[in-house]
Amino acid sequence: QKEVEQNSGPLSVPEGAIASLNCTYSDRGSQSFFWYRQYSGKSPELIMFIYSNGDKEDGRFTAQLNKASQYVSLLIRDSQPSDSATYLCAPLNTGFQKLVFGTGTRLLVSP
Amino acid sequence: NAGVTQTPKFQVLKTGQSMTLQCAQDMNHNSMYWYRQDPGMGLRLIYYSASEGTTDKGEVPNGYNVSRLNKREFSLRLESAAPSQTSVYFCASGGTAISNQPQHFGDGTRLSIL
Repeated sequence: QKEVEQNSGPLSVPEGAIASLNCTYSDRGSQSFFWYRQYSGKSPELIMFIYSNGDKEDGRFTAQLNKASQYVSLLIRDSQPSDSATYLCAPLNTGFQKLVFGTGTRLLVSP
Repeated sequence: NAGVTQTPKFQVLKTGQSMTLQCAQDMNHNSMYWYRQDPGMGLRLIYYSASEGTTDKGEVPNGYNVSRLNKREFSLRLESAAPSQTSVYFCASGGTAISNQPQHFGDGTRLSIL
């Protein structure tokens, strides 16, 4: 079992729709969870982080965390073509002070 | 505000050559990291340094060495490059468990080994 699992996609949504990106993780010691966006040929950039169960909203982005189910998700409302990128889920394990990245979900938003 | 600076941005090597990738951060972070990213493999941790003077192996350390020169700088060395080390290399800083700091990435080094 991979430590962090994401559907590789591509996830295709029309402009203005809600994109839902999912991630499961295996390490119960993970305390904080980060979502990075990576455009093709560019470096990852942080878009959200969450460490409490429930929802956290920031503009068009909402991160959701359920530690009991070892599940974290990212919702993007009113999706725009500029949101087309690969989204990486990364739990931070408190004991090892390092992120473990999923392989990412590629999102395509069509005009 | 430079953030994390990596040099060089591109490099082509021949098998068996050596080289050092440089990374510097100006955010006063204690932790620094080296990753490689290959198609379909995601980001894989090579080495990390939780603080000045310490380094630890990550998921794929074989064939690499690192030096944490001071708080700002963390270099990655390939002693005898192999074609399997063709990849995009990212340096990052930040991300301590205590502070929940996110990691910030450099622009990457695209390395080809012939």
